[in-house]
Amino acid sequence: KNEVEQSPQNLTAQEGEFITINCSYSVGISALHWLQQHPGGGIVSLFMLSSGKKKHGRLIATINIQEKHSSLHITASHPRDSAVYICAVPYNTDKLIFGTGTRLQVFP
Amino acid sequence: ETGVTQTPRHLVMGMTNKKSLKCEQHLGHNAMYWYKQSAKKPLELMFVYSLEERVENNSVPSRFSPECPNSSHLFLHLHTLQPEDSALYLCASSQDLDSGLDTQYFGPGTRLTVL
Repeated sequence: KNEVEQSPQNLTAQEGEFITINCSYSVGISALHWLQQHPGGGIVSLFMLSSGKKKHGRLIATINIQEKHSSLHITASHPRDSAVYICAVPYNTDKLIFGTGTRLQVFP
Repeated sequence: ETGVTQTPRHLVMGMTNKKSLKCEQHLGHNAMYWYKQSAKKPLELMFVYSLEERVENNSVPSRFSPECPNSSHLFLHLHTLQPEDSALYLCASSQDLDSGLDTQYFGPGTRLTVL
């Protein structure tokens, strides 16, 4: 069992829909990362959060440290949001453990 | 553009070849990483360098040999690879070695195919 679990694995949506991607982890952490990987392979860091909520444009990330759970929400989804979304948690100071990712496709 | 570049972007090699992957970061960061991403599997950390010293070698076979000549450059030397080594190899950097606090900036990756 992976120490970082994401759900769903695959997600399709119509443009404009509200999207939620979930991440659960089993190790104690100081912060959690959300990353976006586009079809070309490049990865971009979206959020790093240790408590509460962060918002950037149409993206919102929340974390509940006690429940070891984080969610990534996308409001008013758009086809350009189509990507793989990955959550990652620190294991040691020098190591991140990654989830398997959620593949999102948004159709016009 | 994340400030981390990788070359080549695509590489096809035979099992007896020797090749090298190159990563360069223009961010003034002190830590650099090599990751392997295979289909349907999470990103796997291979190597970590901090201030040009290797601090993590995550049980990687010796056919992968990293080199960090300075804090801006990181190489992954490949020799006698196996077909199962075919994957996307990603380089990343961060300001310092603190995965709890530091954002990692990723390069675009090298898509490696071993025939």
